Amino acid sequence: ETGVTQSPTHLIKTRGQQVTLRCSSQSGHNTVSWYQQALGQGPQFIFQYYREEENGRGNFPPRFSGLQFPNYSSELNVNALELDDSALYLCASSWALSYEQYFGPGTRLTVT
Amino acid sequence: ELKVEQNPLFLSMQEGKNYTIYCNYSTTSDRLYWYRQDPGKSLESLFVLLSNGAVKQEGRLMASLDTKARLSTLHITAAVHDLSATYFCAVDTLPSTASKLTFGTGTRLQVTL
Repeated sequence: ETGVTQSPTHLIKTRGQQVTLRCSSQSGHNTVSWYQQALGQGPQFIFQYYREEENGRGNFPPRFSGLQFPNYSSELNVNALELDDSALYLCASSWALSYEQYFGPGTRLTVT
Repeated sequence: ELKVEQNPLFLSMQEGKNYTIYCNYSTTSDRLYWYRQDPGKSLESLFVLLSNGAVKQEGRLMASLDTKARLSTLHITAAVHDLSATYFCAVDTLPSTASKLTFGTGTRLQVTL
């Protein structure tokens, strides 16, 4: 059974640029959630996708957007990057009928 | 707005000692999670507590949930150095087909020899 994977591992972008982060969910999982974890903070919920539809969103501006594909993998897109977007981005996959969420290794984004 | 508070924020303890981390939350929830995070790493699930009075134990860690008091505890028994990490509690506030976890600020645990 393959766990949750994310790519890339690290990324450096310049303010104003756009970035796409990718997540492959654990085998059999149809729900993917994205979280942002700033240094020294707890993760904050960005949004969740279930069967290719957004299924809940946190307090993040519209420049944070996402997609889920038929194979349940997902992308997080961030436009017009700001310095405060520098963080560890975590995705978590789960099976809709289960309460367990399994987190991927994360993507460390640095905005300069 | 849901608030999840942990205390202490930092805990330095000697090997062999016992201690408890507290997690208070501000709204009704029946699902409480505990995670461990090592520096620079992702989150490792420790416990999922699903009902009032739930108690789960794994090794030297034991978690409990009191939904009426909106309080969960993570008790560490006879700490060892390998338990050094940051521990987060998280509360789930959406129906079962969607999980939106609201995390606490974390408790950084340092176990010294």
